[in-house]
Parts: sequence; structure tokens; C-alpha cells
Amino acid sequence: AQSVSQHNHHVILSEAASLELGCNYSYGGTVNLFWYVQYPGQHLQLLLKYFSGDPLVKGIKGFEAEFIKSKFSFNLRKPSVQWSDTAEYFCAVLDNTDKLIFGTGTRLQVFP
Amino acid sequence: DAGVIQSPRHEVTEMGQEVTLRCKPISGHDYLFWYRQTMMRGLELLIYFNNNVPIDDSGMPEDRFSAKMPNASFSTLKIQPSEPRDSAVYFCASSKLAGGVKQYFGPGTRLTVT
Repeated sequence: AQSVSQHNHHVILSEAASLELGCNYSYGGTVNLFWYVQYPGQHLQLLLKYFSGDPLVKGIKGFEAEFIKSKFSFNLRKPSVQWSDTAEYFCAVLDNTDKLIFGTGTRLQVFP
Repeated sequence: DAGVIQSPRHEVTEMGQEVTLRCKPISGHDYLFWYRQTMMRGLELLIYFNNNVPIDDSGMPEDRFSAKMPNASFSTLKIQPSEPRDSAVYFCASSKLAGGVKQYFGPGTRLTVT
């Protein structure tokens, strides 16, 4: 079974700092990878996804993620965070039975 | 489109009581998913349906949990009897195509069992 690891459970940054959230998955075959965001009091929204092609994926709100197959990683990045990026971020992988498997999430707090 | 609708948004109940969570998927979506979110375990898939038929319920924690989808526009997740460790946010999601190609999540139901 596939699994997803997010090692950063809680990240605190000041505005304008750069962000990188780690995500590692366990499956060695073809993967579909996702990042979801959950703003306080809101439901989950898709931030970006990778299916194939360019390993550098650009999402909404200035976020991007890079798929590195050799490292089984799909880290999320943003060059300069804003206070409004305060949220919980979930990495997910689509397994070979079409189930979406989520990591445990990373809580990001951005202070002005 | 109204998106995925869940009710209630908040539920507080006493241990031992029956709890029913409701979900209305986006019209035309053939897949419906129930997830549970806790601080300790993050997001977990409980069960999912395709064309109203349960496909995989391996994530359902125990027999106290049951889910139904009597028609294409309605699903329920029931916990009977509820326990304090069931306290979590329960999300419903729907998608048009298989798996996680694009799942649309509802706002969630925050369940507190005292």
C-alpha cells in the first residue's frame, strides 16, 4: 500500500520568508501527486497536481511543487509567503486502486 | 453549482448516542468519498462509492461506523454508538472521474463526542 509522509508538522514563518514543505511517498511506480490546502474554517481545496510531464508544477497563489522521482518526493514551495497563506497543507498520492492517500498535514502559520 | 453540501456543520453529542452525518455530492459526480480528519492521523479515507455502490470500506474503523448511499444525490455516515475518540472533522468529497483526478470537498462536519 502506498503511504505519504509529511515530516514538518508545524511551520512558523514571517511574511516574505520562503517556504518549502516536504512530502515523500512510498510507491515506486507511476504516481499521481497532489497538494491540498485547508484555510482556517474552510474545506479542502486543490492547490496543484502532478500526473506526468514537467516535474515542476505550478499551482494557484504562487505555489509550486517539484516531483523528484529518485527521491520519491513532491515538495511544495513558495518564494515569499503571505499572512493569508496561514493554513493546513496536505500532500496526497493516488494509489493504484484509485484511492487518494493523504499525509498527516503541515500546519503553516505566517506572522506579519 | 452549490458544491458538495454537508450537514450538520457542527455536532455535539454524548457518548453512546447515534450520530448521522449527511452529504449531497455535486450533481453528475459518480464518486463519493468520506474522510475523517484528526490531529493525530491527519486525513483518512473511510469509504468511497461509485454509482451509489460501496467500492472500498477498508478505512472504516470498526462496526460502529456505517455508510449508505441510497441514491446519486445523498449519502450518510452513521456512528452508533458514538465514542469520544470519534471526535473529528468528517469530510465528504465527490468527483466525476475515478479516484483523485479532481475531488471536490465539502465544508466538513465537526463532530464532538463528550
